[in-house]
Amino acid sequence: DTAVSQTPKYLVTQMGNDKSIKCEQNLGHDTMYWYKQDSKKFLKIMFSYNNKELIINETVPNRFSPKSPDKAHLNLHINSLELGDSAVYFCASSQVRQSEQYFGPGTRLTVT
Amino acid sequence: DAKTTQPPSMDCAEGRAANLPCNHSTISGNEYVYWYRQIHSQGPQYIIHGLKNNETNEMASLIITEDRKSSTLILPHATLRDTAVYYCIGAYSGAGSYQLTFGKGTKLSVIP
Repeated sequence: DTAVSQTPKYLVTQMGNDKSIKCEQNLGHDTMYWYKQDSKKFLKIMFSYNNKELIINETVPNRFSPKSPDKAHLNLHINSLELGDSAVYFCASSQVRQSEQYFGPGTRLTVT
Repeated sequence: DAKTTQPPSMDCAEGRAANLPCNHSTISGNEYVYWYRQIHSQGPQYIIHGLKNNETNEMASLIITEDRKSSTLILPHATLRDTAVYYCIGAYSGAGSYQLTFGKGTKLSVIP
């Protein structure tokens, strides 16, 4: 069974659209994260979410919003997509406030 | 999180030990040294972490200098599947910040 899964694996969309990426973990972890990896391969934290506590990287535009329907899911919503949003987005999870994180396979988002 | 410095790339012959160095001279007393790797655009994979003592698990060994200013990740018998980008990260475990700050890492190429 996949520990951390993401859907879709690939997402191609046009500028201005709104899209969502889903993430699910079956590890029983209570902290989840979203990372963005740009074309230069830099991997940057976007959000971490634990027990209704959301920590946002200050560089993330407010067009991005995480939504957690339950402890096993943290979905990423993106409004008014821009060309610069093209990247690979990784979801991850960990036990409470631990730095040993388990990553999903990634979602490659292409904005045209 | 402590700033870390790693060589941009290294080669290792298949079957030999791969020794990946990391400098983290600004690491604080309660920051752990974490190692992750990313195999060709897959999600990053946790390898090992340590605070002061050397650590070993089924994947690798971690040697931390006594002054904690540097460490070495050792893959004892490198295989072609170990070709990846390896990231050394200073991060807290337990209470405190649990957001990982990835640098540029070391691209390890295992050569047949």
